[in-house]
Amino acid sequence: GENVEQHPSTLSVQEGDSAVIKCTYSDSASNYFPWYKQELGKRPQLIIDIRSNVGEKKDQRIAVTLNKTAKHFSLHITETQPEDSAVYFCAASKSNFGNEKLTFGTGTRLTIIP
Amino acid sequence: DTAVSQTPKYLVTQMGNDKSIKCEQNLGHDTMYWYKQDSKKFLKIMFSYNNKELIINETVPNRFSPKSPDKAHLNLHINSLELGDSAVYFCASTEGSGRANEQFFGPGTRLTVL
Repeated sequence: GENVEQHPSTLSVQEGDSAVIKCTYSDSASNYFPWYKQELGKRPQLIIDIRSNVGEKKDQRIAVTLNKTAKHFSLHITETQPEDSAVYFCAASKSNFGNEKLTFGTGTRLTIIP
Repeated sequence: DTAVSQTPKYLVTQMGNDKSIKCEQNLGHDTMYWYKQDSKKFLKIMFSYNNKELIINETVPNRFSPKSPDKAHLNLHINSLELGDSAVYFCASTEGSGRANEQFFGPGTRLTVL
């Protein structure tokens, strides 16, 4: 089955600096890579996703890059703000006729230092 | 207009008891999931249903029995609760169209077994 590794487990950055979180996956058939943000006591919520036919996707201060050959993808947050503090999860999935399953990384606790 | 809802939000019970958690989605999705998030924040899939049919069962003890009366509802019944069952349980749903897509999470149910 799919295995997703995520690094680092904790990350502290000064407000205004950039943060990068990296993930690797094992199943070359995986074709969908979402990133979820989970604030304390809240539900995970999608912040950005990328499909395997795209190498990079950007949404304002958030970007995701995908290297299919190396089987790794990364989340980049620029100009970080205190409200970016949360736990971030990467995940991988493949289209499977109603049997889609997200395999999550172990999470990164991001702390933005004011 | 809540998309995915769960009840109860908190559940405190004694070891050995039986309890149920209910989930409902009003997104018209075909696939629903149960996830367990332990104290280290690891998010692990337990079950998925597509159109009321069990699709994924991730080696969960048979004390856990999901039930889907219709495609908008997925309930989780747990028998003979153990201390290790203490966790946050999230319900989620996705289109289930055969293409991997965003999963929408419920607010979670924090289960504490004493």
